Amino acid sequence: AQSVTQLDSQVPVFEEAPVELRCNYSSSVSVYLFWYVQYPNQGLQLLLKYLSGSTLVKGINGFEAEFNKSQTSFHLRKPSVHISDTAEYFCAVTGMDSSYKLIFGSGTRLLVRP
Amino acid sequence: EAGVTQFPSHSVIEKGQTVTLRCDPISGHDNLYWYRRVMGKEIKFLLHFVKESKQDESGMPNNRFLAERTGGTYSTLKVQPAELEDSGVYFCASSQGGNTFSYEQYFGPGTRLTVT
Repeated sequence: AQSVTQLDSQVPVFEEAPVELRCNYSSSVSVYLFWYVQYPNQGLQLLLKYLSGSTLVKGINGFEAEFNKSQTSFHLRKPSVHISDTAEYFCAVTGMDSSYKLIFGSGTRLLVRP
Repeated sequence: EAGVTQFPSHSVIEKGQTVTLRCDPISGHDNLYWYRRVMGKEIKFLLHFVKESKQDESGMPNNRFLAERTGGTYSTLKVQPAELEDSGVYFCASSQGGNTFSYEQYFGPGTRLTVT
């Protein structure tokens, strides 16, 4: 079984500042990792995913994440945020044991202030 | 290409009533998933269809929930009778299957269910 922990329920940040949203996971099998974003009144959109290969993954809208197996983390970063990045961000995993369901964290609300 | 669509976008019903949610996946996607987010908590898996077959329904909370996917196309999720704790946002997602397996699930906008 897998579990995901997003330690920060809300992260306020000023526009053009850097941001890091934290995600830690636990699993008895190897996992694939994802970050999804939900903008107000919209569905979930995939930001980026880690399946294999380079541990630094780049996604849409200037976001990137680094897979750290020893620390079981997959933190999301952006060097300079915009007002339009205000949204809720979800970290998710799926186990490489053919159970393709996504296990989500509780979400982090990113609030970008001018 | 049309994305995943869900209907209705919002439903308000009284405790004890029945509600049916519908999901239309992306055309050609064999995998269809239902998830639910109860107020402020994490999004939780409910069940997974591969074409018309239930592959995994381990997340279904109880027998008041019935999911179907007739002909491997759209899916319905019926709640009968609804209870207050069923309130939340129900998401549907789909992904490719067969020889082209994709771990990327495409999500619909969700149905917000309010049971009063």
